[in-house]
Amino acid sequence: QVQLQELGPGLVKPSQTLSLTCSVSGDSMSSGSYLWNWIRQPAGKGLEWIGRVFTSGHSDYNPSLKSRVTISLDTSKNQFSLKMTSVTAADTAVYYCARSPPPDSSGYYGYFQRWGQGSLVTVST
Amino acid sequence: DIQMTQSPSTLSASAGDRVTITCRASQSISTWLAWYQQKPGKAPNLLIYKASNLESGVPSRFSGSGSGTEFTLTISSLQPDDFATYYCQQYQTYSSDFGQGTKLEIK
Repeated sequence: QVQLQELGPGLVKPSQTLSLTCSVSGDSMSSGSYLWNWIRQPAGKGLEWIGRVFTSGHSDYNPSLKSRVTISLDTSKNQFSLKMTSVTAADTAVYYCARSPPPDSSGYYGYFQRWGQGSLVTVST
Repeated sequence: DIQMTQSPSTLSASAGDRVTITCRASQSISTWLAWYQQKPGKAPNLLIYKASNLESGVPSRFSGSGSGTEFTLTISSLQPDDFATYYCQQYQTYSSDFGQGTKLEIK
């Protein structure tokens, strides 16, 4: 059973770069055509998809965050990462990593089948 | 963006009740819709994908239906463990969008 765990600092200063890593265990990231995602949730609010990376290395981003976000993967370490630049207090949230199944027979993909437990990141001085 | 609107925002019900949550999309998404359950302090848990497909391990009292712009999640007989917040999510476009959530409370 695949497990995902978010790792990274819980406190980031405004204007700095938020960096998180998702460590994947129980399966090799390069063994299938899964998609690897980041999703966030401010306290008491709803879910926001941040972006995804394919095993090919191609990535897609939420248009509202695209200018500040980079998602990359390192299959040799079985992990993928999120970098978000120029953070503000509005970026304070629980950040989740999640895995999507490979594209189905129609070529569609994008729901989230396995999730990490989440990591709270606070943006504050 | 595709706007996903859930109703109601809050639903009060009792154990044993049959409940339905509605999710409307601002444009057609065919059947590219998923439902999740989230409990406080926990990650969301996938219930339904492609509008009506039950994820493995999810109790059969959960069911989903709909296509195009209107979708429903039904719980046939509420169990105490079902009181949680439910989210819909579209994945018809490359950019995913979630509904705002429906909190299912004990009456």
